Amino acid sequence: AQTVTQSQPEMSVQEAETVTLSCTYDTSESNYYLFWYKQPPSRQMILVIRQEAYKQQNATENRFSVNFQKAAKSFSLKISDSQLGDTAMYFCAFMYPHHQGAQKLVFGQGTRLTINP
Amino acid sequence: DGGITQSPKYLFRKEGQNVTLSCEQNLNHDAMYWYRQDPGQGLRLIYYSQIVNDFQKGDIAEGYSVSREKKESFPLTVTSAQKNPTAFYLCASSIGPRFMNTEAFFGQGTRLTVV
Repeated sequence: AQTVTQSQPEMSVQEAETVTLSCTYDTSESNYYLFWYKQPPSRQMILVIRQEAYKQQNATENRFSVNFQKAAKSFSLKISDSQLGDTAMYFCAFMYPHHQGAQKLVFGQGTRLTINP
Repeated sequence: DGGITQSPKYLFRKEGQNVTLSCEQNLNHDAMYWYRQDPGQGLRLIYYSQIVNDFQKGDIAEGYSVSREKKESFPLTVTSAQKNPTAFYLCASSIGPRFMNTEAFFGQGTRLTVV
């Protein structure tokens, strides 16, 4: 089974600090995609960043970057200069072809991140 | 505006009743997904569909049923066989297999409570 594991249920940092959220996944697939989603208190899911498995270069979106280690099946999210608005649940997600080409999208358990003033 | 609409936002069900959650998208997406969210368990996949009239079971399909009669619509029925249906339900869609790098877009969710 393809699984996603987030080992940090909760994290808390001070505003302006850098924080790294961990994610590991288990798969035998070679072609897949990884995502980080943010869920603020409104519960609306928002895409933070994506990474194609065939790309060696780590994705970056402004203050958000990933450390993608394909051999280790690790996909961590780094948030630099954290802001109060970054307070949210963060989910790591994994999309892969399954059942006649259908794309299956699975999520980790989530990490609750709190940014303190 | 294009997007995904889930309705209702809050839903109350008596034990033993079936209830249907609505999910509609006008993004012209092929793929649609239903997830259940419980505290501490993240998002668990219930069903997903890549094309009209075809769908696959996810990891927790027991007690749920779906249909995909139209590209735009993917309703989820929570049946009386689902023993613990109280949860937050999220619907999502993505372009589908035609484009491999496809993020999912989510609706606002439905909070289902059994009373």
